[in-house]
Amino acid sequence: AQTVTQSQPEMSVQEAETVTLSCTYDTSESDYYLFWYKQPPSRQMILVIRQEAYKQQNATENRFSVNFQKAAKSFSLKISDSQLGDAAMYFCAYRSADYQGNLIFGKGTKLSVKP
Amino acid sequence: DTGVSQDPRHKITKRGQNVTFRCDPISEHNRLYWYRQTLGQGPEFLTYFQNEAQLEKSRLLSDRFSAERPKGSFSTLEIQRTEQGDSAMYLCASGRAEKYYGYTFGSGTRLTVV
Repeated sequence: AQTVTQSQPEMSVQEAETVTLSCTYDTSESDYYLFWYKQPPSRQMILVIRQEAYKQQNATENRFSVNFQKAAKSFSLKISDSQLGDAAMYFCAYRSADYQGNLIFGKGTKLSVKP
Repeated sequence: DTGVSQDPRHKITKRGQNVTFRCDPISEHNRLYWYRQTLGQGPEFLTYFQNEAQLEKSRLLSDRFSAERPKGSFSTLEIQRTEQGDSAMYLCASGRAEKYYGYTFGSGTRLTVV
């Protein structure tokens, strides 16, 4: 069975600085997809960025980028120029490429942004 | 795209009562997922539908839980004889079967069993 581990329960960053959130996963599959979701307090979970395992190029979405290391099974999220609105729980998630495709989540990292 | 809607947002019930939650997915999405999220944890998969067919159920989904998606549109999740351990946020998500697709989540229904 696949597992996702986020080893940082909480992180803090100064506004305008850069922060990296860590995620590791365990799988025996070669084809899969990885996601980072953001869950602001009392608000719905939204997709931040996705990565296809067969692509070596790291995904980027504006201030958000990932460092995908397939051999190490590592998938970290870098947030550049942090803003107060980035404060939230961040969840790393794994999706197998098989037909079922449900998401497997880590426990999350709570990110605080200091003004 | 009006998003994924869940109703109610909050539900407080007494132990032993039955409760039902509703999820309205994005209309063009053919997949609908139910997740449960407890405090300090990531969402855990409960079950999912492809159109009206319920294709997978997690072992977390005891026989007190039942889900339906009539006509492949909205879905309901019913919990019978609620227990305090059922207190959690119940999240609904919809998406497409394409492998790369990330899902759109609703705001969730927070259940408190007293």
